[in-house]
Amino acid sequence: TQLLEQSPQFLSIQEGENLTVYCNSSSVFSSLQWYRQEPGEGPVLLVTVVTGGEVKKLKRLTFQFGDARKDSSLHITAAQPGDTGLYLCAGYIQGGSEKLVFGKGTKLTVNP
Amino acid sequence: DVKVTQSSRYLVKRTGEKVFLECVQDMDHENMFWYRQDPGLGLRLIYFSYDVKMKEKGDIPEGYSVSREKKERFSLILESASTNQTSMYLCALGGRNSGANVLTFGAGSRLTVL
Repeated sequence: TQLLEQSPQFLSIQEGENLTVYCNSSSVFSSLQWYRQEPGEGPVLLVTVVTGGEVKKLKRLTFQFGDARKDSSLHITAAQPGDTGLYLCAGYIQGGSEKLVFGKGTKLTVNP
Repeated sequence: DVKVTQSSRYLVKRTGEKVFLECVQDMDHENMFWYRQDPGLGLRLIYFSYDVKMKEKGDIPEGYSVSREKKERFSLILESASTNQTSMYLCALGGRNSGANVLTFGAGSRLTVL
């Protein structure tokens, strides 16, 4: 059973388009994190959200934590080729073990 | 900025060989982790360590061991490499961000076992 489901698995869009990727669970998370991994490199932390309903912005990226803390979304405005990569969500289940749970990722390709 | 260095980016080994993957941090952090990443399976935790000479099994420790003799260095060892251990191996360092535990990853070591 995958504790964190990410959708879509793959996304290929043109430069300038907007997109949203999702991270969903039936479990409540004490916090959720988003990482971006470029080909051949390790994941890099983009943001951490800890409060239900929280919205954080990082330039053209907007991250939202669901009110019930069971889901999160990442919205990219006017995507650029430099946004290409694997986007991973990860979190700690509330009341669960202290191990970080990862989703399998959304592979984004932004074509020029 | 925290730096996590994995010295071997690409390795090719033969079945049965002993393989050492090294990971070095430049901070004084306690928590270090080894993951493997495979298409369709995501990141899976192999081993982690909360301090020198301490080690804990992750979700898939079979076929692997680790060594943490010094705080800055966490090594992953494949005693007898097998083809199903062909993978991307990621070392990570534990830290804090916005009140939560987060990870800083190295660039990864891509291992091919023939």
